Amino acid sequence: ELKVEQNPLFLSMQEGKNYTIYCNYSTTSDRLYWYRQDPGKSLESLFVLLSNGAVKQEGRLMASLDTKARLSTLHITAAVHDLSATYFCAVGRGRRGSTLGRLYFGRGTQLTVWP
Amino acid sequence: DVKVTQSSRYLVKRTGEKVFLECVQDMDHENMFWYRQDPGLGLRLIYFSYDVKMKEKGDIPEGYSVSREKKERFSLILESASTNQTSMYLCASSYIRNVQETQYFGPGTRLLVL
Repeated sequence: ELKVEQNPLFLSMQEGKNYTIYCNYSTTSDRLYWYRQDPGKSLESLFVLLSNGAVKQEGRLMASLDTKARLSTLHITAAVHDLSATYFCAVGRGRRGSTLGRLYFGRGTQLTVWP
Repeated sequence: DVKVTQSSRYLVKRTGEKVFLECVQDMDHENMFWYRQDPGLGLRLIYFSYDVKMKEKGDIPEGYSVSREKKERFSLILESASTNQTSMYLCASSYIRNVQETQYFGPGTRLLVL
């Protein structure tokens, strides 16, 4: 079974600082997703990474994928309070069959950005 | 915009009651999923469906069943609710028309079983 580990699970950082969230997964995968969840709300898709070396950026968030290391990172640059949320990575695998659409989620990283 | 809706945002039920959670998507998605989310445990997959009348067990199917009679609708059923099924339930859907296959989530149903 594919396992996905995120760390840290809790992150408290000051505004203006940089930090990285790590997502490791246990078996080969060809696609990785990052989601954001605000308190009491549902999950919102942030990034989809589909190939080794893929990098995507949106505002102060940048996600990358290293399929050989089975590692994705979500880098936060110059954090602001609005980035406070829980961030999940999720991994999919396979191209055929009934489980094609299934994703395996990490436990999430709860990010708090304080002034 | 993709829309995934869930029948209730909050639900309070008694132990032993039969509970139906409904999910509807309006994007003709093939895949639909039910997750539960508990603090510290992240999202755990209960059941999913890749086509009408088709279903697959996820990681924690015990105590749950599902129904997919129409493509747009996926129901989660708690046959006899128990207090350990108190949780946030999230429905999601996705399509397989391109390689991205991102999942779109509904707003969630917060279920309390007394």
